Amino acid sequence: AQSVTQPDIHITVSEGASLELRCNYSYGATPYLFWYVQSPGQGLQLLLKYFSGDTLVQGIKGFEAEFKRSQSSFNLRKPSVHWSDAAEYFCAVGFNTDKLIFGTGTRLQVFP
Amino acid sequence: NAGVTQTPKFQVLKTGQSMTLQCAQDMNHEYMSWYRQDPGMGLRLIHYSVGAGITDQGEVPNGYNVSRSTTEDFPLRLLSAAPSQTSVYFCASSKTQGAGGYTFGSGTRLTVV
Repeated sequence: AQSVTQPDIHITVSEGASLELRCNYSYGATPYLFWYVQSPGQGLQLLLKYFSGDTLVQGIKGFEAEFKRSQSSFNLRKPSVHWSDAAEYFCAVGFNTDKLIFGTGTRLQVFP
Repeated sequence: NAGVTQTPKFQVLKTGQSMTLQCAQDMNHEYMSWYRQDPGMGLRLIHYSVGAGITDQGEVPNGYNVSRSTTEDFPLRLLSAAPSQTSVYFCASSKTQGAGGYTFGSGTRLTVV
């Protein structure tokens, strides 16, 4: 069955530190891959997406993600976290259908 | 552009009551979906539509109905509300199939007592 796993429920980092949020998927082919961010009480905002080509994709707010086919992973990274990055982050996968399947999310807390 | 507009933002229902959550988009997107978000479970797909007059079930469709009479609107109906339907509901739309990435509304927080 198709699935998306975000193994980290909660991550805490200091402001200025680097960040990596993990995402793994289970599927027989390469899907479409997305990262969304949700601030408290808000909807979801698209950070970046991968369809094909260069496996390192750049998104908004200084985020990037790298697709690794061999590991079925699409990890989100940021070199220096800002306090405003505190939010919940969702990895999502589209399997050439009209549906997106979401991971359970990772809550990021940033300490000054 | 307003994007995806959901109404109401908050709602309290009694068990057994029915209601409709409204969703409208002004981006001429063909694809629209409804998700519910529950703590620790991410977003789960309830129903989706690939165009006016076409709808299909997602992962958790029981207790919900949808219709798509126009491209712009995709209402979600709760037929007989149950406490298990207490959740935050998000409507989303996309121009292209699968690959486009969805634009989300700001959500409706529903409590069933």
